[in-house]
Amino acid sequence: EAQVTQNPRYLITVTGKKLTVTCSQNMNHEYMSWYRQDPGLGLRQIYYSMNVEVTDKGDVPEGYKVSRKEKRNFPLILESPSPNQTSLYFCASSSSRDRGLGYTFGSGTRLTVV
Amino acid sequence: AQSVAQPEDQVNVAEGNPLTVKCTYSVSGNPYLFWYVQYPNRGLQFLLKYITGDNLVKGSYGFEAEFNKSQTSFHLKKPSALVSDSALYFCANQGGKLIFGQGTELSVKP
Repeated sequence: EAQVTQNPRYLITVTGKKLTVTCSQNMNHEYMSWYRQDPGLGLRQIYYSMNVEVTDKGDVPEGYKVSRKEKRNFPLILESPSPNQTSLYFCASSSSRDRGLGYTFGSGTRLTVV
Repeated sequence: AQSVAQPEDQVNVAEGNPLTVKCTYSVSGNPYLFWYVQYPNRGLQFLLKYITGDNLVKGSYGFEAEFNKSQTSFHLKKPSALVSDSALYFCANQGGKLIFGQGTELSVKP
């Protein structure tokens, strides 16, 4: 089944403790992206990657890092999480960034930073 | 700059009645519009999209959307709502990346 897999689904952590949210897709997609979802704000892009070793900032990149060492994986790293990063996170992929293709989304990771 | 707006945070509909979830857009150039649905504890699922062609687009689960260029709108519709349609709905435009509206919570009561 074609899918985007995120782990973990739920995570509670403390301020300052580094964490990684993993994302993997099995569709050989070149384009991958991370979004965060907050009430009343919709989904906002954090980082995206056009291909292996090519990453760039989205609209809200502060406090996050990403890497793209393999085509299928695009982990999101929070080096020093803070409470304002409590959110619902989605990874998404697409065969390209071309208009009209849309994205396939993972099931989400609900992160709570206390 | 492009933007997508969903003017209603919540829409309440009785089962069997028609439903409309509103979306307006502001883009430079041609819009590439999407509707996604998010069920509780699930990711976003694609419903339908408008790229070009007929202004009335049909999608999954009996949903359709009407593209109106003069009103810059792309409202989601369904002739007869089901309780199982209750979910969070997002409108988006893809101009390179997907830009989302704020989301509309649809509640369908029996």
